[in-house]
Amino acid sequence: DIQMTQSPSSLSASVGDRVTITCRASQDISNYLAWYQQKPGKVPQLLIYAASTLQAGVPSRFSGRGSGTDFTLTIRSLQPEDVATYYCQKYDSAPFAFGPGTKVDIK
Amino acid sequence: QVQVVESGGGVVQPGGSLRLTCETSGFTFRSYGMYWVRQAPGKGLEWVAFIRHDGTNGDHADSVKGRFTISRDNSKNTLFLQMNSLRIDDTAVYYCRAGPAFWGQGTLVTVSS
Repeated sequence: DIQMTQSPSSLSASVGDRVTITCRASQDISNYLAWYQQKPGKVPQLLIYAASTLQAGVPSRFSGRGSGTDFTLTIRSLQPEDVATYYCQKYDSAPFAFGPGTKVDIK
Repeated sequence: QVQVVESGGGVVQPGGSLRLTCETSGFTFRSYGMYWVRQAPGKGLEWVAFIRHDGTNGDHADSVKGRFTISRDNSKNTLFLQMNSLRIDDTAVYYCRAGPAFWGQGTLVTVSS
């Protein structure tokens, strides 16, 4: 089975900082990669699908890149409301594994 | 508007069974692949099961294979998860999701003696 990893597992950054989270698949998944944001106590929300397509309504400071095995989620200018855990998920074929998550908070 | 509502969670003893239901509205249910995703207390997201839009080819995570079964009724816009032989480590909030974007609020399953 394809394994999904994320780095870092957590980070602390200042408001306005550029933040990048990496997701890696153990085998090629093309661009079948989604990113989710889960704020504390809330339901996960889709940010990006097809590795780089922004979901409707998601602020443009979020962006995704990558293909194959290496992917990134970037927050161009971190805002207080971005405090959350971020997960990647592969959806090329089963099993539709999630990464372990990256917890982002404000320094 | 899109609504995804799970029900059927509760407290059950190890070895017991539960059937989760996910009722949907506001989108064309029969066009969407459907997922169950769970989250144990304080842990990350775990994919549990997937079923294609037409009800064929249900897939299950290894951790639940042979114990859980996903199914759907396109005439009622409803998704199900039959959970048998429940274990302590199945304790989690179970989310229903339509495609990549439409999540329910989740239903809590607690397996405890």
